[in-house]
Amino acid sequence: EIVMTQSPATLSVSPGERATLSCRASQSVSSNLAWYQQKPGQAPRLLIYGASTRATGIPARFSGSGSGTEFTLTISSLQSEDFAVYYCQQYNNWPGTFGGGTKVEIK
Amino acid sequence: EVQLVESGGGLVQPGGSLRLSCAASGFTFSSYWMSWVRQAPGKGLEWVANIKQDGSEKYYVDSVKGRFTISRDNAKNSLYLQMNSLRAEDTAVYYCARVARLYCSGGSCYPAWYFDLWGRGTLVTVSS
Repeated sequence: EIVMTQSPATLSVSPGERATLSCRASQSVSSNLAWYQQKPGQAPRLLIYGASTRATGIPARFSGSGSGTEFTLTISSLQSEDFAVYYCQQYNNWPGTFGGGTKVEIK
Repeated sequence: EVQLVESGGGLVQPGGSLRLSCAASGFTFSSYWMSWVRQAPGKGLEWVANIKQDGSEKYYVDSVKGRFTISRDNAKNSLYLQMNSLRAEDTAVYYCARVARLYCSGGSCYPAWYFDLWGRGTLVTVSS
């Protein structure tokens, strides 16, 4: 099973600033990586798939990059609605596995 | 509206059973693989089970094999998870999730194994 490790566990950012979240795979997952956003009491929402493709309706301030074992989710200018927990998921190998999440909180 | 709505969660004793349901609307349910994903309190997400569009293929995480059964009724646009021999470690919010489609060809749609639509979840608590 591929282990996904996200860092940092918590990221404190001021509104309008850039946030950079990392996700590392224990072995190569090619570009088969997705990012999700989850707010308290809500369903997770798909943000990015294929490591860098934004899902339908996702604002351009969200961008993904990376391949192989190292991936990054960047939020260029944090809005109030972006404070949430973010998860990465690899779907290159069975079963698809998730990272432990990064909580983006208001600084 | 495109949505998934789970129901059936609750408090159950260890060794007990529970059946979760997921009602789909706003899309062609029968053309998608579907999954259950769970999240233990304060923990991350864990895929539990998948089922093919026609129900002919089912896959489970090792920890639930032999205890949980995923099924679907395309006529009712519904997904189910029968959970037997429940353990404390099964305590979690259970999400119904739609598996994204990689592509469709010749009348068949092939999965991409990430999830493009999620429900809000239903809480299962296993405790005496």
